[in-house]
Amino acid sequence: AQSVTQPDIHITVSEGASLELRCNYSYGATPYLFWYVQSPGQGLQLLLKYFSGDTLVQGIKGFEAEFKRSQSSFNLRKPSVHWSDAAEYFCAVGSLFSGGYNKLIFGAGTRLAVHP
Amino acid sequence: DAGVTQSPTHLIKTRGQQVTLRCSPKSGHDTVSWYQQALGQGPQFIFQYYEEEERQRGNFPDRFSGHQFPNYSSELNVNALLLGDSALYLCASSLSAGRSYNEQFFGPGTRLTVL
Repeated sequence: AQSVTQPDIHITVSEGASLELRCNYSYGATPYLFWYVQSPGQGLQLLLKYFSGDTLVQGIKGFEAEFKRSQSSFNLRKPSVHWSDAAEYFCAVGSLFSGGYNKLIFGAGTRLAVHP
Repeated sequence: DAGVTQSPTHLIKTRGQQVTLRCSPKSGHDTVSWYQQALGQGPQFIFQYYEEEERQRGNFPDRFSGHQFPNYSSELNVNALLLGDSALYLCASSLSAGRSYNEQFFGPGTRLTVL
């Protein structure tokens, strides 16, 4: 069965420090991978996505993620965190089914706190 | 170009009541998916509508039903509300995937509280 695991429920970093959020997935075929961010009371904003090609993908707000097939991982990174990055981050895998429909399976999320 | 819109923003209901949530997809999109996000959890897929038909469903009871209109907008209906139905309900729109995966764009959600 398809699944997404985000091992870290909460992470706290200091402003200006580097960040890595972990994501592991279980999916039989080549996955479509996503990272979303959600601020309190808000919907989901797409940070970046991986469909194919270069395994290092760049996203908005200075985020990047690396797809590692051998480790079934798609970790999110940022070299220098800003206080405004405090939010909940969700990793998701998208599955494409015959008939043309798709759906997203999300991890439980990682809540990021940023200390000044 | 308006993105995905949802109404209402917030809703309070009591157990046993019925609720209808509404979603207008992003311009040009023909597929609408609904997700439930309980507090402290990731969104869970409820179902997806295309060409006014439900074509994929997650692990949700029949109390959850939906509809898609000819203009591609959609409604999510929940009958016989339970306390556990309290959640943020997210709508996402996309183009029919065909042979390639098309990104889903999310609305701001409707916060449902069941008392």
